[in-house]
Amino acid sequence: AQSVTQLGSHVSVSEGALVLLRCNYSSSVPPYLFWYVQYPNQGLQLLLKYTSAATLVKGINGFEAEFKKSETSFHLTKPSAHMSDAAEYFCAVSGGSQGNLIFGKGTKLSVKP
Amino acid sequence: NAGVTQTPKFQVLKTGQSMTLQCAQDMNHEYMSWYRQDPGMGLRLIHYSVGAGITDQGEVPNGYNVSRSTTEDFPLRLLSAAPSQTSVYFCASTTQRGFGNTIYFGEGSWLTVV
Repeated sequence: AQSVTQLGSHVSVSEGALVLLRCNYSSSVPPYLFWYVQYPNQGLQLLLKYTSAATLVKGINGFEAEFKKSETSFHLTKPSAHMSDAAEYFCAVSGGSQGNLIFGKGTKLSVKP
Repeated sequence: NAGVTQTPKFQVLKTGQSMTLQCAQDMNHEYMSWYRQDPGMGLRLIHYSVGAGITDQGEVPNGYNVSRSTTEDFPLRLLSAAPSQTSVYFCASTTQRGFGNTIYFGEGSWLTVV
């Protein structure tokens, strides 16, 4: 069975600092991995996804993630945080017999001026 | 350019009442699903459908009912609302069940059961 663990329910960074949100997965088959962002009182928006092509995946808003099979990780990074990046971020893996998304518990990112 | 549309956006129910959350998509997607989001729990799958007339249970199906009579619509029914069903509900869809396909989400429905 597939699962996802997001390390840190809350991350706080200063504006301009590196953003690093951690995600580790468990999967018995090659995984498909996703990062979604949720702004307050809104739905989920896809940031990026890994589907076994390039291991370094670039997404929207300057975010990227690197798939590391040896570490079973798919961490999300952004070189320089902006105030508008404050949101909740969810890592997810496609699993189950129907390819349903299995989500981590989320990491809330705060950006300090 | 509607995508996935959910109604209502906000609803307050009394314990024991029933209601239906509506979900419609205009992308001709075969696969549709319902999730609930609770603080610290992420999103958990309630029910899903891989096509008209076909539904199945997800991780937390108890207290909810679904049907899929058309490709476009996938309503979620709460049969007898309980305070434990206070949550944010998201409908989602994708082209067909597939492990790498992007899943598109609606804007969410905030439900409070008192």
